[in-house]
Amino acid sequence: DAKTTQPPSMDCAEGRAANLPCNHSTISGNEYVYWYRQIHSQGPQYIIHGLKNNETNEMASLIITEDRKSSTLILPHATLRDTAVYYCIVPGSARQLTFGSGTQLTVLP
Amino acid sequence: GAVVSQHPSWVICKSGTSVKIECRSLDFQATTMFWYRQFPKQSLMLMATSNEGSKATYEQGVEKDKFLINHASLTLSTLTVTSAHPEDSSFYICSAIYKPTDTQYFGPGTRLTVL
Repeated sequence: DAKTTQPPSMDCAEGRAANLPCNHSTISGNEYVYWYRQIHSQGPQYIIHGLKNNETNEMASLIITEDRKSSTLILPHATLRDTAVYYCIVPGSARQLTFGSGTQLTVLP
Repeated sequence: GAVVSQHPSWVICKSGTSVKIECRSLDFQATTMFWYRQFPKQSLMLMATSNEGSKATYEQGVEKDKFLINHASLTLSTLTVTSAHPEDSSFYICSAIYKPTDTQYFGPGTRLTVL
């Protein structure tokens, strides 16, 4: 299973873009990258996923490097409600998700 | 779409009793569901994979006789914590795979406190 590495914490000013990096250097050619977030005491929330092309939905954008060894989740206009732990995950062969420590994003007023 | 619910959202029980937690996919059918637990200030840990109509697959270190999983229908999986003890107190979270996008969606979690 491909491991991912994320910074433990980041701050972002409200209204600014939050850019959360993730390294997944051992990802294989057919493995997707998924992003989830967990707000305190809630179940994780799916954000976005991608294979090799950049993706965008109503929540965020996902930029994947050409070599697919890293990606960046972009929240274009962060709000206080975006404060959460963000997880970058490459699912295992049985689609199981291994949650690392993630990145604690704190949006500051 | 792709909503997963859990019931109850919290439960307090006495040591030695059994507790059942339900996980439902509300608007889709899920042949595969997962059960996780999360201790305070820690990340989610996968406990088991639940496949409809077959026995669950447990992660290493998870006692299958203590954490009974039943996935009898395409929209319901249950986790029963048998003979619960205070060390089983945790946040239990289920997820279900939404096949059209091969994405896992999570329930809101169940807070179990064993006295």
